[in-house]
Amino acid sequence: DAKTTQPTSMDCAEGRAANLPCNHSTISGNEYVYWYRQIHSQGPQYIIHGLKNNETNEMASLIITEDRKSSTLILPHATLRDTAVYYCIVRVPYSSASKIIFGSGTRLSIRP
Amino acid sequence: NAGVMQNPRHLVRRRGQEARLRCSPMKGHSHVYWYRQLPEEGLKFMVYLQKENIIDESGMPKERFSAEFPKEGPSILRIQQVVRGDSAAYFCASSPFLWTGNMNTEAFFGQGTRLTVV
Repeated sequence: DAKTTQPTSMDCAEGRAANLPCNHSTISGNEYVYWYRQIHSQGPQYIIHGLKNNETNEMASLIITEDRKSSTLILPHATLRDTAVYYCIVRVPYSSASKIIFGSGTRLSIRP
Repeated sequence: NAGVMQNPRHLVRRRGQEARLRCSPMKGHSHVYWYRQLPEEGLKFMVYLQKENIIDESGMPKERFSAEFPKEGPSILRIQQVVRGDSAAYFCASSPFLWTGNMNTEAFFGQGTRLTVV
């Protein structure tokens, strides 16, 4: 079972920041938070991951609360191409338990 | 560095035939994961393999499905005696195992094989 809880759907205006929340209240100390997205019928695309510090890359920013029980993915300037299902996943990367379990994700719609 | 390569991209099989789906991981990746996505549904974990070993097959159907990741060559997901319910998109992902010290822990996915059983 997925260890995360996300809203089923969200929408955002093009050009604005999209903030996607995720709850992972049972996260353990060695689990990282990963974000992936799946644009219609394509393979899931890696976005970003982090352990406890906030992270930023060319695609997005990841804000993790101090207690690590929740996080927010921020797409700073959403475009129509960001319309996708976004998955928040917790995972221990270097172990026999490193499989990725997808939940239902958040269906993000970007409106013009 | 090429990404995760899956082939074929589309595969049509008649009921009762065998389907073989191939996945070549990214260079330097020794872990492979297979997922199935039925139409309009989410991604379901099937199996996790390291080179020559199955680590976790908790998501594999008990019959007709098997997976391997030989020492040389791609990982293979094999479906024997396919039925219409096997029609789905099958995705594989790969990730590194050994700690490299630079946080490269992410798994990357291929574009999938879409299996249609007629």
